[in-house]
Amino acid sequence: GQSLEQPSEVTAVEGAIVQINCTYQTSGFYGLSWYQQHDGGAPTFLSYNALDGLEETGRFSSFLSRSDSYGYLLLQELQMKDSASYFCAVRGRDDKIIFGKGTRLHILP
Amino acid sequence: ETGVTQTPRHLVMGMTNKKSLKCEQHLGHNAMYWYKQSAKKPLELMFVYNFKEQTENNSVPSRFSPECPNSSHLFLHLHTLQPEDSALYLCASSQAGPQQAPRGYTFGSGTRLTVV
Repeated sequence: GQSLEQPSEVTAVEGAIVQINCTYQTSGFYGLSWYQQHDGGAPTFLSYNALDGLEETGRFSSFLSRSDSYGYLLLQELQMKDSASYFCAVRGRDDKIIFGKGTRLHILP
Repeated sequence: ETGVTQTPRHLVMGMTNKKSLKCEQHLGHNAMYWYKQSAKKPLELMFVYNFKEQTENNSVPSRFSPECPNSSHLFLHLHTLQPEDSALYLCASSQAGPQQAPRGYTFGSGTRLTVV
């Protein structure tokens, strides 16, 4: 079947760098997206990778390796407001859209 | 506000009740979606509407009935729900159709539904 795997929780220190990994298993692949969701809030779109490599947007970067079916979200200069859940998502076979279960990011002062 | 507004924010209903969730987007998007978010589970796609036409029903039980009267409004009609249907129901929209998803979704803040 089709699936996405990402860690359930990650803890990091304010000011540090953290990487959230996502591996996927789909019959087709049309891009990897990342979303952020604060408690009680709406998921918000962060980034999209259709091709291999690194995409940078401010403190956030996203990487994709299609040959490894793998991507990650990199957050730099962590701030307390970055405490949230982060979801990866892909569109695969039959245009089915699949989200990961989400990674809860805890940031320590 | 994200540009996608969902009402109500919270809803408690009995198993014999009938209620409706509403979603409205002011972004000029062409596609709208209903997702179910349960604890410890991935976001589950329920329905997709593209230019007001339902293009996907992801094996959702008939006790959930969507309605899309125009490209800005989306409803989810609920009847005879079960306690396991308790979850956060999220509406999303996108400029391009589902073929471009999941890039660039704009989500609403959701309706927290509790079935008692």
